[in-house]
Amino acid sequence: AQTVTQSQPEMSVQEAETVTLSCTYDTSESDYYLFWYKQPPSRQMILVIRQEAYKQQNATENRFSVNFQKAAKSFSLKISDSQLGDAAMYFCAYRSESLGTALIFGKGTTLSVSS
Amino acid sequence: NAGVTQTPKFRVLKTGQSMTLLCAQDMNHEYMYWYRQDPGMGLRLIHYSVGEGTTAKGEVPDGYNVSRLKKQNFLLGLESAAPSQTSVYFCASSYYNQPQHFGDGTRLSIL
Repeated sequence: AQTVTQSQPEMSVQEAETVTLSCTYDTSESDYYLFWYKQPPSRQMILVIRQEAYKQQNATENRFSVNFQKAAKSFSLKISDSQLGDAAMYFCAYRSESLGTALIFGKGTTLSVSS
Repeated sequence: NAGVTQTPKFRVLKTGQSMTLLCAQDMNHEYMYWYRQDPGMGLRLIHYSVGEGTTAKGEVPDGYNVSRLKKQNFLLGLESAAPSQTSVYFCASSYYNQPQHFGDGTRLSIL
């Protein structure tokens, strides 16, 4: 069974600074997708970024980028130029083919941003 | 275009009562999912469906039943609610190879 581990329950960053959220996963599949979701206090689940395992290049979406290390099964999220609106819970997720492409989530990291 | 709509948004039940949560999507997605979110636990998959008339168990299916009689609807039922089922429930839908779209969640409290 696949598992996703986020080892940082809470992180903090100052505005305009950079922060990295960690995620590791375990799987025996060779091709898969990984995601980062943001959940603000409104409870919405917002897709931040996704990575396809067969692609060597790390995904980037504006201020958000990932460091995908397939051999190490590591998938960290870097947020550059942090903004107050980035404060939220962040979930790392693995798409499981064996569960109808459902997502297996980590327990989340709460990010606080201070001015 | 409403996306994924969950009904109701809030509900309080007494132990032993039954209820059904409704998820409706208007994007013609084949795949639909029910998750629950508990503090410190992230989201966990309850049941999922890969098409009309099909359902399958996820990670935490006990105490829940589901039905997908119409492609656009995915129902989650609690036959005899227990306090351990107090949670926030999320529905999601997707095409096979595309990211999931989530509803806004249903907060369910069982006393």
